[in-house]
Amino acid sequence: EAQVTQNPRYLITVTGKKLTVTCSQNMNHEYMSWYRQDPGLGLRQIYYSMNVEVTDKGDVPEGYKVSRKEKRNFPLILESPSPNQTSLYFCASTSGGALNEQFFGPGTRLTVL
Amino acid sequence: KNQVEQSPQSLIILEGKNCTLQCNYTVSPFSNLRWYKQDTGRGPVSLTIMTFSENTKSNGRYTATLDADTKQSSLHITASQLSDSASYICVVSLEGTFGNEKLTFGTGTRLTIIP
Repeated sequence: EAQVTQNPRYLITVTGKKLTVTCSQNMNHEYMSWYRQDPGLGLRQIYYSMNVEVTDKGDVPEGYKVSRKEKRNFPLILESPSPNQTSLYFCASTSGGALNEQFFGPGTRLTVL
Repeated sequence: KNQVEQSPQSLIILEGKNCTLQCNYTVSPFSNLRWYKQDTGRGPVSLTIMTFSENTKSNGRYTATLDADTKQSSLHITASQLSDSASYICVVSLEGTFGNEKLTFGTGTRLTIIP
């Protein structure tokens, strides 16, 4: 089954404790993204990757890092989480072709105390 | 500023009834417009994608329309079912190269179907 997986699905942590949210896709897509979703706001892009070892900032990259060492994996790293990073995070993988359809993961709900 | 506005913010209808959700956008240059369905606690799932040359597209009981001149889109749901309860998100794509395509997301319409 074609899918995007994320782990963990839920995470409660404390300020300053480094964490990583993993993302993996089995569709051989080159393009992947990370988004955060907050109440009253549309999804906002954090980082994206156009291929292995190619990443770039989205609209809200501050406080986040990413890496793309393999095509299927695109982890999101919070080196020193802060309470304002409490949010719902989605990883997405984009197909090729004219319409670039996006496939979203199930989401990771992060709470930073 | 590129924006996508959706209305209403929330909607409650009886099972079996029809409803229409609205999306207005100011994104330019426009590439395509997408409607997503997001169940509570899940990731968005694509319903339809329309380019500027398409003015209607259906996916089962979901029909999306697009008026590129007035920059408006609507999503019509026919014979609603309890499983239609979800948030519906309008997303507009800014014209660009593959992989660098810029998406602007609306804040969604929260639809609740009651028996």
